[in-house]
Amino acid sequence: DAGITQSPRHKVTETGTPVTLRCHQTENHRYMYWYRQDPGHGLRLIHYSYGVKDTDKGEVSDGYSVSRSKTEDFLLTLESATSSQTSVYFCAISPGTAGNTIYFGEGSWLTVV
Amino acid sequence: AQSVTQPDIHITVSEGASLELRCNYSYGATPYLFWYVQSPGQGLQLLLKYFSGDTLVQGIKGFEAEFKRSQSSFNLRKPSVHWSDAAEYFCAVGPNQAGTALIFGKGTTLSVSS
Repeated sequence: DAGITQSPRHKVTETGTPVTLRCHQTENHRYMYWYRQDPGHGLRLIHYSYGVKDTDKGEVSDGYSVSRSKTEDFLLTLESATSSQTSVYFCAISPGTAGNTIYFGEGSWLTVV
Repeated sequence: AQSVTQPDIHITVSEGASLELRCNYSYGATPYLFWYVQSPGQGLQLLLKYFSGDTLVQGIKGFEAEFKRSQSSFNLRKPSVHWSDAAEYFCAVGPNQAGTALIFGKGTTLSVSS
């Protein structure tokens, strides 16, 4: 299994509070991604990173920001959590070589009440 | 626009019966194609992938998939389903640009009846 650790794995937070999810990898892969998974929508890309301090938006980036200060860590921040951001969040990594296999973490369950 | 369609939201198969999960994609060039499986409460595990060459791809857990360019399809098959195969299955497409994120279908939930 790819060395990906997500924290926290489960969190309940109140509307309007900031939340940060952390993804840590031990594979030294260049690319890291944050997806959210919702029933009926599959997985949708929020943001991704192609190197330290290099990030870009995905399909559903509104309300989210990311940072990558080290190769191994990719942080996802909800500046002011809303109920619509209740979801399962998956971090993924890729070496970035042709073929682009992406490996997933175990997920972080976030509930905004 | 790039997209992936999994027409079946939920499929029930008897244990020991054969399985086929459908996947259709829309992409301008030959894509890279993937199947992932997700057990409840778990992350996604790669079953198999197609890059080029032989259009019939073998994966883990006895699964295989066939790329059909003329039909823009990449259907997943298994000759005999086991109860442990009950899970959600995702088809994904990726362009041949290193690092670009995959685009996922909405998934098919497989139930296995005894």
